[in-house]
Amino acid sequence: NAGVMQNPRHLVRRRGQEARLRCSPMKGHSHVYWYRQLPEEGLKFMVYLQKENIIDESGMPKERFSAEFPKEGPSILRIQQVVRGDSAAYFCASSLGQGARTEAFFGQGTRLTVV
Amino acid sequence: DQQVKQNSPSLSVQEGRISILNCDYTNSMFDYFLWYKKYPAEGPTFLISISSIKDKNEDGRFTVFLNKSAKHLSLHIVPSQPGDSAVYFCAASARSGGSNYKLTFGKGTLLTVNP
Repeated sequence: NAGVMQNPRHLVRRRGQEARLRCSPMKGHSHVYWYRQLPEEGLKFMVYLQKENIIDESGMPKERFSAEFPKEGPSILRIQQVVRGDSAAYFCASSLGQGARTEAFFGQGTRLTVV
Repeated sequence: DQQVKQNSPSLSVQEGRISILNCDYTNSMFDYFLWYKKYPAEGPTFLISISSIKDKNEDGRFTVFLNKSAKHLSLHIVPSQPGDSAVYFCAASARSGGSNYKLTFGKGTLLTVNP
């Protein structure tokens, strides 16, 4: 029973390139969350998705960032025209139901480095 | 605006002794609190939680205490073991506003348990 799978684990991009981060939730989970952890900071909520729907993207930067969770396949967090400040660890979590009382399982994260 | 604060970046204890990790919050709407443990290069793992209707929750060696009037919670680990060495994150969520899935994290406390 695989946990939340994120890939790649490490991603290096030059300024101006695009970054695509993938997240496969745990089997049976239809709720996906993305969090970002900047250096020396805690995790910050970015977006909450269900299959084919963005439920809450209040934590997403207004420009260059987008997320999707298609009917088939993993959830994708896409960052266009990356800048150095995008360097961070991006964590995906999934849960069976909605709400903090329903345990969210985190993936190992993708560490994005922008050079 | 740090709504969840972990003021101790690090804590060092001897094996077998008690570890006490502290967390303060400012948002009075928070009504559910969680502790996560994180090893390097891995995602956070849920440890224990507490609802605001309780003041204590215990699970094996881990106990979380909540003082609502002081907006303070703490995690006690007794006895501490070297394998407990990790970063511990305090997180909170608010039931109101329909966003009870959104976790607000502190910056974490690095616990080192010395043999």
